[in-house]
Amino acid sequence: DAGVIQSPRHEVTEMGQEVTLRCKPISGHDYLFWYRQTMMRGLELLIYFNNNVPIDDSGMPEDRFSAKMPNASFSTLKIQPSEPRDSAVYFCASSLEAGNTEAFFGQGTRLTVV
Amino acid sequence: GESVGLHLPTLSVQEGDNSIINCAYSNSASDYFIWYKQESGKGPQFIIDIRSNMDKRQGQRVTVLLNKTVKHLSLQIAATQPGDSAVYFCAENLSGSGTYKYIFGTGTRLKVLA
Repeated sequence: DAGVIQSPRHEVTEMGQEVTLRCKPISGHDYLFWYRQTMMRGLELLIYFNNNVPIDDSGMPEDRFSAKMPNASFSTLKIQPSEPRDSAVYFCASSLEAGNTEAFFGQGTRLTVV
Repeated sequence: GESVGLHLPTLSVQEGDNSIINCAYSNSASDYFIWYKQESGKGPQFIIDIRSNMDKRQGQRVTVLLNKTVKHLSLQIAATQPGDSAVYFCAENLSGSGTYKYIFGTGTRLKVLA
């Protein structure tokens, strides 16, 4: 398996634009997590899914952020409209089961909003 | 005024010496813990895990110790090598009430001196 695949690796966008980050989890993994990493706040959990269903979105900063998982092999994190303070590295991770096995991380998407 | 970023504690170790990285976790109900290594420009990578019914677990060159009384984890790396230079995170899994979250600590930067 190629691991968790995220795209794009880098994204530069202007304030106010819509940004969509994509993730393909490891096949067979039931859990998918979206994290944001910044120097200010470290690694923060934004939302996670179990079997494509959002379970906990309490980490989503505000309504500008939304995440979907239309099927077991694809998830998106959308920011609309984007703001400079959204600049961060966004990681997607998946795990076979939560609470007993590790989460595997993708390489991340570095988002810069100017 | 402007907030400062997270100050990552840094541990500098001579090549060949042993390293000990410490982590305090937040929730006494957490029952699964993981150490991750993050190299520059990459996503966190799994190193070793431990369940709350254990107090020690050994891997190849790494040992994790868990002290539930004081909610403390440590990662010991034997014979530290230049390739061990990275930021190390502990993560706890909060599995209460049927929700599963991997919550990360702020991280420790390990620098291996030649």
